[in-house]
Amino acid sequence: DMKVTQMPRYLIKRMGENVLLECGQDMSHETMYWYRQDPGLGLQLIYISYDVDSNSEGDIPKGYRVSRKKREHFSLILDSAKTNQTSVYFCASSPGTGGSAETLYFGSGTRLTVL
Amino acid sequence: GQQVKQSSPSLTVQEGGILILNCDYENDMFDYFAWYKKYPDNSPTLLISVRSNVDKREDGRFTVFLNKSGKHFSLHITASQPEDTAVYLCAAGENQGGSAKLIFGEGTKLTVSS
Repeated sequence: DMKVTQMPRYLIKRMGENVLLECGQDMSHETMYWYRQDPGLGLQLIYISYDVDSNSEGDIPKGYRVSRKKREHFSLILDSAKTNQTSVYFCASSPGTGGSAETLYFGSGTRLTVL
Repeated sequence: GQQVKQSSPSLTVQEGGILILNCDYENDMFDYFAWYKKYPDNSPTLLISVRSNVDKREDGRFTVFLNKSGKHFSLHITASQPEDTAVYLCAAGENQGGSAKLIFGEGTKLTVSS
């Protein structure tokens, strides 16, 4: 069953705490993404990863870093979380080859609240 | 600035009606265009997509039209149904070796009333 799995689904943190959001996919997709969704802003790209240890900044990378040590896992890290990082975070992956190369498969999202 | 822009934050249509959702983009290097559908508290899923070598693609009730010179693409939905009620996100990007760094619009919330 093709799937992108995000953990946790809901998370509450205090300002200044470190946050780790995890994402896994079982489709052997090369490319993985982290987006955040805020009302009125749609999905904003934070980071894109083209393969293990091959990561590139998206449109809003400030305050975030990522780690991809295995093709199937892509982590988003917030060092010292800020209240304006309260958002819904979506992980996605895409095949990179074939007729549906560009199709994004999304996880169910993590709703992060920073108090 | 917003590279991909949807002009209407929300739209309402009667069941059975035809509707058009619009999307404008800035980067003329973009060569892949897509519409995603999102239900509340769910993740976005691909509805229909098109590459820049065609100007139209149809899939059942859904058709995407691409106007590259105008940097504009649209989604036409015919015979709208209550289950079409959702947020529609347009996305565009440049295919780079297989993957595309997709940039999304703000979304249009569609309500189909019965």
